[in-house]
Amino acid sequence: EPEVTQTPSHQVTQMGQEVILRCVPISNHLYFYWYRQILGQKVEFLVSFYNNEISEKSEIFDDQFSVERPDGSNFTLKIRSTKLEDSAMYFCAGLAGEQETQYFGPGTRLLVL
Amino acid sequence: RKEVEQDPGPFNVPEGATVAFNCTYSNSASQSFFWYRQDCRKEPKLLMSVYSSGNEDGRFTAQLNRASQYISLLIRDSKLSDSATYLCVVNKVRGAGKSTFGDGTTLTVKP
Repeated sequence: EPEVTQTPSHQVTQMGQEVILRCVPISNHLYFYWYRQILGQKVEFLVSFYNNEISEKSEIFDDQFSVERPDGSNFTLKIRSTKLEDSAMYFCAGLAGEQETQYFGPGTRLLVL
Repeated sequence: RKEVEQDPGPFNVPEGATVAFNCTYSNSASQSFFWYRQDCRKEPKLLMSVYSSGNEDGRFTAQLNRASQYISLLIRDSKLSDSATYLCVVNKVRGAGKSTFGDGTTLTVKP
């Protein structure tokens, strides 16, 4: 199975601080996604990224969020000024395979204090 | 109405039981369908894609009924290791589109 990796595995930050979550998607694939899962809730779509552009974003993905692929391999999610309600697990996913299915990274657990 | 709705669960079954999960989706234009499993505090992992013709992978069988906008997953001869949360996932666009997740149904298989 294609492998997506994410760093850090855990991040604790103070409210109002900026955080950057990193993902190394499946090599040679062009579609990438960020999802989040608040503890005890369902997985929610944040944003999809294709050809170095955002292709779709949800209502959750407001001006506090940004994504980029700075060096052609890493795919980052930045939260500019974190809020308590940003505490969640953040999953990166890449699109791969003949069936064009999304494969998820292990996630970054973000805790905002 | 939720975009993707699953049995609320939880399901508690003995080893060897057959268990069925149901899922409905609201958007009739949806193009692709999947079942994922998620272990506690882990990432969703693809279990299988779902097709109108139905598909089977060992003890797992998935079915899609487009007319009823209904997806099912059947697990036969359940094992302790099947204990997880099962997520129904629907994409409006084949391939590259976002995935919409159901709330998940938790299964516990007991000895």
